Amino acid sequence: DIVMTQSPLSLAVTPGEPASISCKSGQSLLHRNGQHYLDWYLQKPGQSPQLLIYLGSNRASGVPDRFNGSGSGTDFTLKISRVEAEDVGVYYCMQALQTRFTFGPGTRLDIK
Amino acid sequence: VQLVQSGAEVKKPGASVSISCKASGYTFTNYYIHWARQAPGQGLEWMGFINPRGGSPTVAQEFQGRVTMVTDTSTSTVYMNLSSLLSEDTAMYYCARDLVFAGPVIGVVPAGMDVWGQGTTVLVSS
Repeated sequence: DIVMTQSPLSLAVTPGEPASISCKSGQSLLHRNGQHYLDWYLQKPGQSPQLLIYLGSNRASGVPDRFNGSGSGTDFTLKISRVEAEDVGVYYCMQALQTRFTFGPGTRLDIK
Repeated sequence: VQLVQSGAEVKKPGASVSISCKASGYTFTNYYIHWARQAPGQGLEWMGFINPRGGSPTVAQEFQGRVTMVTDTSTSTVYMNLSSLLSEDTAMYYCARDLVFAGPVIGVVPAGMDVWGQGTTVLVSS
């Protein structure tokens, strides 16, 4: 299985300030079709996870444009340009290159 | 588009549990359904997926032999059964729809989960 790591594991951000979360995979997530099979999910407190970014950099339907995914190979980043109070929760990256998906440990984002 | 799961379950060690996931708002057979779980205070763990059109499910190695998935196209429902329950199986279980349109095409590669159910709590306790 592909091991996923994230950093930091927690961060506290002042509203209006940017935030960045790193995700690294144990092997390249580049598919032969040219896409990177890396997704980002947000699990808000008490809720089911929700898809934010798919295939590395594509924003899911309804996701605000302050969320951006980037990266290639084994290194990926989720950036929030201006954090809002509603962004609180745990962010997970997940690899979908191998059909046996694996998640990162999660990064908890709190508001200062 | 919605996935609605069955209610909470309390089971004894060694028993089995069956969780249902009813889809609505889209053509059920066009998208794979995944299952994932989350132990209390822990992260997400992917369990497997099934193509509602048929075929064997793909199951994570740690669940092979204990997890089965079946679909009922007449009710647009997927059932996930977990057997030989241990206390470590206490968790919230989620179904989720794959984000890729599979349709009748064979061999479509799953790519993630864009619609999630509300979760089903399973408590395993003697």
